[in-house]
Amino acid sequence: EVQLLESGGSLVQPGGSLRLSCAASGFTFSSYAMSWVRQAPGKGLEWVSGISGSGGSTYYADTVKGRFTISRDNSKNTLYLQMNSLRAEDTAVYYCAKSATNAEFQDYWGQGTLLTVSS
Amino acid sequence: QLVLTQSPSASASLGASVKLTCTLSSGHSDYAIAWHQQQPEKGPRYLMKLNSDGSHSKGDGIPDRFSGSSSGAERYLTISSLQSEDEADYYCQTWGTGIWVFGGGTKLTVL
Repeated sequence: EVQLLESGGSLVQPGGSLRLSCAASGFTFSSYAMSWVRQAPGKGLEWVSGISGSGGSTYYADTVKGRFTISRDNSKNTLYLQMNSLRAEDTAVYYCAKSATNAEFQDYWGQGTLLTVSS
Repeated sequence: QLVLTQSPSASASLGASVKLTCTLSSGHSDYAIAWHQQQPEKGPRYLMKLNSDGSHSKGDGIPDRFSGSSSGAERYLTISSLQSEDEADYYCQTWGTGIWVFGGGTKLTVL
């Protein structure tokens, strides 16, 4: 059974930094691209960042480019999102999601972790 | 620009059927999409991949009540024999090289 468990969400001041983690199990982690998707309070889903199975290719939404860094440790089956220069508009639930074959859509999702950016 | 458009809301009666629509932006009418369901206070759940020819492949454990179809730039999700647990937000998604895009979502109310 595929399981994705996010952690690391917290209350952070504007301009601060935080790292989210996602522990994966139930599949061969290194064989699949992974993504982070967020959902601001009362809003829809927004893709944030993606990474290939090897970690050699990374992708970012324009809204976070230059501030967020996605990475993975395939030896630990863990996905990360390093978030710097945080803004109020980054407040959201952050979901870790596994990509289907060929890195098309997301076929499994975690339950999310809440980041609140506020002074 | 790759954009997906969904109606903000829909409603249908318990036991009835409903058809939700997702429209691809101009120039992208041959793109496949995925449908996702998000029940209240839960993470999203993948429902199916839907191709431009209407063929679709569903995720693990998705009931036969959920089906997909396509016409031109429109992609549809049909839910038959509506149940109370089908009351949720439904999102379509598509993708390109290094980009993934979600529609704004449709909130389905089961009356």
